Amino acid sequence: GAGVSQTPSNKVTEKGKYVELRCDPISGHTALYWYRQSLGQGPEFLIYFQGTGAADDSGLPNDRFFAVRPEGSVSTLKIQRTERGDSAMYLCASSSRQGATDTQYFGPGTRLTVL
Amino acid sequence: DQQVKQNSPSLSVQEGRISILNCDYTNSMFDYFLWYKKYPAEGPTFLISISSIKDKNEDGRFTVFLNKSAKHLSLHIVPSQPGDSAVYFCAASEWETSGSRLTFGEGTQLTVNP
Repeated sequence: GAGVSQTPSNKVTEKGKYVELRCDPISGHTALYWYRQSLGQGPEFLIYFQGTGAADDSGLPNDRFFAVRPEGSVSTLKIQRTERGDSAMYLCASSSRQGATDTQYFGPGTRLTVL
Repeated sequence: DQQVKQNSPSLSVQEGRISILNCDYTNSMFDYFLWYKKYPAEGPTFLISISSIKDKNEDGRFTVFLNKSAKHLSLHIVPSQPGDSAVYFCAASEWETSGSRLTFGEGTQLTVNP
């Protein structure tokens, strides 16, 4: 079946602009995660949804970052007043949250560049 | 603070030989560990995992070893193949207490030479 998809694959914006990044999880997966990966680093947790609600948003760096998942499937990560330091690869993952283990399946990411 | 560390940014091995990738962690609350591999222009792909109640898990050519007292885990790939060339990330979670958020290491670039 289809994996996790993310759009756009690349986004170039100017400092101060607003951007939205979209994630389509694997069908039936109730859990959805957003991570951010800077160059030379591993992915860094941002937020985790279980269904429609944010179960853990402790990784969001500040109040310019916000994410929604209104129908428990597609999620949108929103960044207001973008800064050059927001430039990174934004990764989305989903999982089924079944059993004692929980494999997260990642999408290909959205490369965000803030000029 | 970096709770999961992969101290080797790169590793180069010959085809057919063993690849050993290492990972150290500092958070004693971590109870579930995973390895992901990442090819360019793709997202990380799950490879193998291990629970803290075990010290070894094997899946084909891949074996993960966990040493809880040393807070160290390693991934062994035997025999290594050129298609294994990728960036490998170690990740950990506090599964019992805080659910699924993963903490990743910086990654190790593995190159397997034909």
